[in-house]
Amino acid sequence: DVKVTQSSRYLVKRTGEKVFLECVQDMDHENMFWYRQDPGLGLRLIYFSYDVKMKEKGDIPEGYSVSREKKERFSLILESASTNQTSMYLCASADSDFSYEQYFGPGTRLTVT
Amino acid sequence: QQPVQSPQAVILREGEDAVINCSSSKALYSVHWYRQKHGEAPVFLMILLKGGEQKGHEKISASFNEKKQQSSLYLTASQLSYSGTYFCGTDGSGNTGKLIFGQGTTLQVKP
Repeated sequence: DVKVTQSSRYLVKRTGEKVFLECVQDMDHENMFWYRQDPGLGLRLIYFSYDVKMKEKGDIPEGYSVSREKKERFSLILESASTNQTSMYLCASADSDFSYEQYFGPGTRLTVT
Repeated sequence: QQPVQSPQAVILREGEDAVINCSSSKALYSVHWYRQKHGEAPVFLMILLKGGEQKGHEKISASFNEKKQQSSLYLTASQLSYSGTYFCGTDGSGNTGKLIFGQGTTLQVKP
């Protein structure tokens, strides 16, 4: 079974802090994604990565950056957390052919106070 | 633009059928369907590709009307385990993996 793990299930941070969310997948997938999920809005793509050191902006990249130094690991960085970034963050990975499914991690519920 | 799902919510009794629709204002290359149970990660159900190819679980049925830019997910003889929120994700850019998800349809199946 594909496993996508995320570093924390729950996280509480203060406004202005730098926040790192980590995601690791064990299936040697080329593609990895970061989404945020808010009630009534579904899942919105923040960033995705086709390969190591490659990244592309999604629909809502403002206030976020990403890092992919190793194939199995994709990090989401909030440079200066704000209260409007309080959300559920989901990581996913997929094989090189995008017509295959995305495998999601369990999510990190981030609260910024 | 975000695809629109309908209905927003539906309540069924076990054994009843339901249809969930996903409509986009843009031309689509593929439509993906996922189900998310409360507190869990979304789980893949099906991918429907332009040209008619489908990949997914055998027990799930769906359609993709390329001309109308619409997809429908058919849940027949529903079971309690079907409860959850269903999301469609659309890829209009040509197999880029850059999915735009709908707002979700909440399905509750009662005994």
